[in-house]
Amino acid sequence: AQKITQTQPGMFVQEKEAVTLDCTYDTSDQSYGLFWYKQPSSGEMIFLIYQGSYDEQNATEGRYSLNFQKARKSANLVISASQLGDSAMYFCAMREFKGGGSNYKLTFGKGTLLTVNP
Amino acid sequence: NAGVTQTPKFQVLKTGQSMTLQCAQDMNHEYMSWYRQDPGMGLRLIHYSVGAGITDQGEVPNGYNVSRSTTEDFPLRLLSAAPSQTSVYFCASRPTGTPKNIQYFGAGTRLSVL
Repeated sequence: AQKITQTQPGMFVQEKEAVTLDCTYDTSDQSYGLFWYKQPSSGEMIFLIYQGSYDEQNATEGRYSLNFQKARKSANLVISASQLGDSAMYFCAMREFKGGGSNYKLTFGKGTLLTVNP
Repeated sequence: NAGVTQTPKFQVLKTGQSMTLQCAQDMNHEYMSWYRQDPGMGLRLIHYSVGAGITDQGEVPNGYNVSRSTTEDFPLRLLSAAPSQTSVYFCASRPTGTPKNIQYFGAGTRLSVL
């Protein structure tokens, strides 16, 4: 079973509108972290936001916020007031915190390609 | 302010050739890893290292070797390149300790095997 599922291969949004990118995850651990990365067409991977499984508040970083629903195992990324520069591939990733090698691995979803239209 | 540096940026190989993808970081991070990115597949972990002299396999290790003789460097070796290894390769590093530590990526190496 996939650990990270991003069901939207592509999304379109109008400039200045908000958009939600979906991410669901699968883990039997109680302790884990969820990350979102942005990959523009230039190819680099840019860290956006982090949510820990024990964090009581949803994470926010500027225009990015994470809608974390632990019981549903979802960690959706919300981008407010979309800009043309937000057009990129977005990856959700999870790190499980159990001991040993698994503590160190970051598992990625397949990504969602966001296009912001003017 | 270099961060994670990968060389080369682009490479074309013939089937059966060998090569080494270089990765260096100047942030004194203990943890380093290699991923490959293929269309529609996201990033998949090839090998990782939690410190000098310590390496382990990731999700897709076959056809790749690594070693970690220093904290700074983590080269990825393809011993006999195959067309299935055509991909974009990313090196990443982060400090160990707090699990929420952010993983920083290099700019990637685009490899084509003919």
